[in-house]
Amino acid sequence: GAGVSQTPSNKVTEKGKYVELRCDPISGHTALYWYRQSLGQGPEFLIYFQGTGAADDSGLPNDRFFAVRPEGSVSTLKIQRTERGDSAVYLCASSLGTATTYEQYFGPGTRLTVT
Amino acid sequence: GENVEQHPSTLSVQEGDSAVIKCTYSDSASNYFPWYKQELGKRPQLIIDIRSNVGEKKDQRIAVTLNKTAKHFSLHITETQPEDSAVYFCAATDGDDKIIFGKGTRLHILP
Repeated sequence: GAGVSQTPSNKVTEKGKYVELRCDPISGHTALYWYRQSLGQGPEFLIYFQGTGAADDSGLPNDRFFAVRPEGSVSTLKIQRTERGDSAVYLCASSLGTATTYEQYFGPGTRLTVT
Repeated sequence: GENVEQHPSTLSVQEGDSAVIKCTYSDSASNYFPWYKQELGKRPQLIIDIRSNVGEKKDQRIAVTLNKTAKHFSLHITETQPEDSAVYFCAATDGDDKIIFGKGTRLHILP
């Protein structure tokens, strides 16, 4: 079956603009995670959904970042008033349940560049 | 919260030799320790994992060991091959189902 997909694959935006990044998890996966990966670093946890609700959003760096998963499937990460420091690869991962019990499958990522 | 330290940041080994990557974690409640391999421009992929009730796990050329007392865990790759060249990340849970990653080790397999 299809794996995790993310769109767009690349996004270039100007400082101060708003962006939306989309994640389509594997069908049937109830858990969905967003990570941010800067160059030369490991994935940094942002937010975790179990179904439609955010089970843990403690990794969101500030209130410019927000994520939704209204129907328990597709998720959108929203970044307002983008800053150059937001430039990174944003990874999404899904699993059948919590990642401590079930394998996480990563998407290809969205490379965000803020100019 | 959980903090995962990984070393070395870069490792070069001769093809056929073994490679060892070491990690430490801080949260004594952590009970799940996955390892991921990420090739250049690709997504991370799980290669092996270990749970806190096990001290060692092996899968062909890859093995992972866990010392819960010392909060250490390590990845061992034997008989390294060119396709083992990649960045490897260790990770640990934080007790709340979040997975916290180390900063990665870039492994180079020399011909």
